[in-house]
Amino acid sequence: EDQVTQSPEALRLQEGESSSLNCSYTVSGLRGLFWYRQDPGKGPEFLFTLYSAGEEKEKERLKATLTKKESFLHITAPKPEDSATYLCAVPDNAGNMLTFGGGTRLMVKP
Amino acid sequence: DSGVTQTPKHLITATGQRVTLRCSPRSGDLSVYWYQQSLDQGLQFLIQYYNGEERAKGNILERFSAQQFPDLHSELNLSSLELGDSALYFCASSVDGRAGGNSGANVLTFGAGSRLTVL
Repeated sequence: EDQVTQSPEALRLQEGESSSLNCSYTVSGLRGLFWYRQDPGKGPEFLFTLYSAGEEKEKERLKATLTKKESFLHITAPKPEDSATYLCAVPDNAGNMLTFGGGTRLMVKP
Repeated sequence: DSGVTQTPKHLITATGQRVTLRCSPRSGDLSVYWYQQSLDQGLQFLIQYYNGEERAKGNILERFSAQQFPDLHSELNLSSLELGDSALYFCASSVDGRAGGNSGANVLTFGAGSRLTVL
């Protein structure tokens, strides 16, 4: 069974304090790893898809990287508006659904 | 606005009752996914439809059912409601029926959700 574990569960940063979020996964065959951002009371919003080990993608202050066992979401010089829950997910073998991790709740203080 | 429309946004009902949640996918998307999000369980996959046919089932209770109509909108029916059914219910859509693979067509776009409170 596919498993996705995210750490830490919650992360408090000061504005400008860079850090990384971790997503560890166990799948029988990786068909991509997805990162989403979710604001309170809203639906998850797609950020990135990574397909192979060594791949990196960037968007503003966010950079996602992928290894064979985990993915990192690096946040450089975060701003308060980056505060949200970040979710990672992997598709099942048949590609019928995404299995999500529990998320990391990021809080950036000004 | 993601293009995925869910109604109602909020719903308060009593135990034992039945409710229907509605989802309209993005224009051009053929696949609809339903997810449940509660505080202690995170996002849990319920069911997927592709072009009107059920494609995959997750941890969906027998009291719950869904369908996708010819115009591609979908409804999730929840019956004999219990307190534990209180949660956010999200609908997502994608162009085709595969949630993975090296194609932008497989990205799931989520709606804003329906918040169900069972009292």
